[in-house]
Amino acid sequence: QKEVEQNSGPLSVPEGAIASLNCTYSDRGSQSFFWYRQYSGKSPELIMSIYSNGDKEDGRFTAQLNKASQYVSLLIRDSQPSDSATYLCAVIRGKLIFGQGTELSVKP
Amino acid sequence: EAQVTQNPRYLITVTGKKLTVTCSQNMNHEYMSWYRQDPGLGLRQIYYSMNVEVTDKGDVPEGYKVSRKEKRNFPLILESPSPNQTSLYFCASRIAGSYEQYFGPGTRLTVT
Repeated sequence: QKEVEQNSGPLSVPEGAIASLNCTYSDRGSQSFFWYRQYSGKSPELIMSIYSNGDKEDGRFTAQLNKASQYVSLLIRDSQPSDSATYLCAVIRGKLIFGQGTELSVKP
Repeated sequence: EAQVTQNPRYLITVTGKKLTVTCSQNMNHEYMSWYRQDPGLGLRQIYYSMNVEVTDKGDVPEGYKVSRKEKRNFPLILESPSPNQTSLYFCASRIAGSYEQYFGPGTRLTVT
C-alpha cells in the first residue's frame, strides 16, 4: 500500500463546476496535510495546508480532513480553465511524502 | 525576489559522464532537498540537508551524491549517470519548523 494515494485521473470537469480531488494516507499518525498545484512543465506550489479535522476554506478552495478515515480532499468551486493542472497531496511523516498527483482538466 | 534557482534547466548526457546540477536559494533556509519526479510515481526525495555540512539520504539515494558547504547551495552530483536516472529533478528549500517548501524550476535530465 502506498503511503499517500491519489487517483491519477485525468479528472475532467466543465467550467464553473466543483472539482473534487481526493487523497488517502496510510499512517494514522500523520498530522499535517498539504495540497500543491503543479502546472505542466512547472514546479509545485503550495496552495493549501490543513492540520485539524474539518474544513478549511481559502477563496475558491476548500480542504477537508477526516483523520478517522485517513482521508483528505480538495474542493475547487467555480472551476476555471486556469485551474487545469496536476494537484499533489502531501502528508508529514517525519518528512513530506507526496502522492502521485491527480490531473485536473477544466473544459470551457 | 525570494527564489530557488537550478542549473541547468535541461541536460542531455551519456551514460557514465559525471554531471552536477546546481541549486541555490536566497531565503536563508536551513532545509534543502532534492526530489525526482517520474510519471505515476510522484515526487520522491533523493537527499536532504538540515543545515551546512548535515545531509542525509531520502527515499531514492542510490546513484546520487550531495554536499552542503554553504547554506545557500546544495548541488546534486551524478558520478556515473545511467538511463534510469532520466527524470525531472526539483530542488526545494524551507525554513526550519515549517513544511512549506519552495521549489526550484526543475531540471529535465535525459541520460542516453
